[in-house]
Amino acid sequence: RKEVEQDPGPFNVPEGATVAFNCTYSNSASQSFFWYRQDCRKEPKLLMSVYSSGNEDGRFTAQLNRASQYISLLIRDSKLSDSATYLCAVTMYSSASKIIFGSGTRLSIRP
Amino acid sequence: NAGVTQTPKFQVLKTGQSMTLQCAQDMNHEYMSWYRQDPGMGLRLIHYSVGAGITDQGEVPNGYNVSRSTTEDFPLRLLSAAPSQTSVYFCASSLAEGGNIQYFGAGTRLSVL
Repeated sequence: RKEVEQDPGPFNVPEGATVAFNCTYSNSASQSFFWYRQDCRKEPKLLMSVYSSGNEDGRFTAQLNRASQYISLLIRDSKLSDSATYLCAVTMYSSASKIIFGSGTRLSIRP
Repeated sequence: NAGVTQTPKFQVLKTGQSMTLQCAQDMNHEYMSWYRQDPGMGLRLIHYSVGAGITDQGEVPNGYNVSRSTTEDFPLRLLSAAPSQTSVYFCASSLAEGGNIQYFGAGTRLSVL
């Protein structure tokens, strides 16, 4: 089993829809959690960190469920510009410098 | 505002050739990492470093060597290139403090024939 797993997608939703992705991790002692966005043929860029209490940044909400070992990303009122691949990332407990990524979820927003 | 700089951007190798992918960062970050990205596989960690003189293996280290003689540079060496190493390679750096938020270079697209 991979240490970090994601819904592979692709998700194809209309503009204005709400969409949610999940990401599960296998190490219960994992420390830090992130969502990255990657546009086609570009490098990943941090979208948001995920805090234990959950956090929101505009239309984006990230949540952490330690009991079930997953993080989630909710996008409300989706825009065409949200089309991208979303990668979750988890810092390993054994080494805070070692960060493992999921395989990514591809999102396509249609007009 | 250079950030993380990777060279070359593109490279074609023949099987068996060796080469070094360069990565440099100017943000004084302690942590640096190398990833490869293949279709459907996401980013897989090859090697990482917590500081000058210290490196460790990631998920897929075989066929690659790294060294970290300075804080700024973290080159990745392919010892004897194989077609299975055809991929996009990303270098990333991060601060030890602040939760290890990764800043990525633009990537190197490598084809091994």
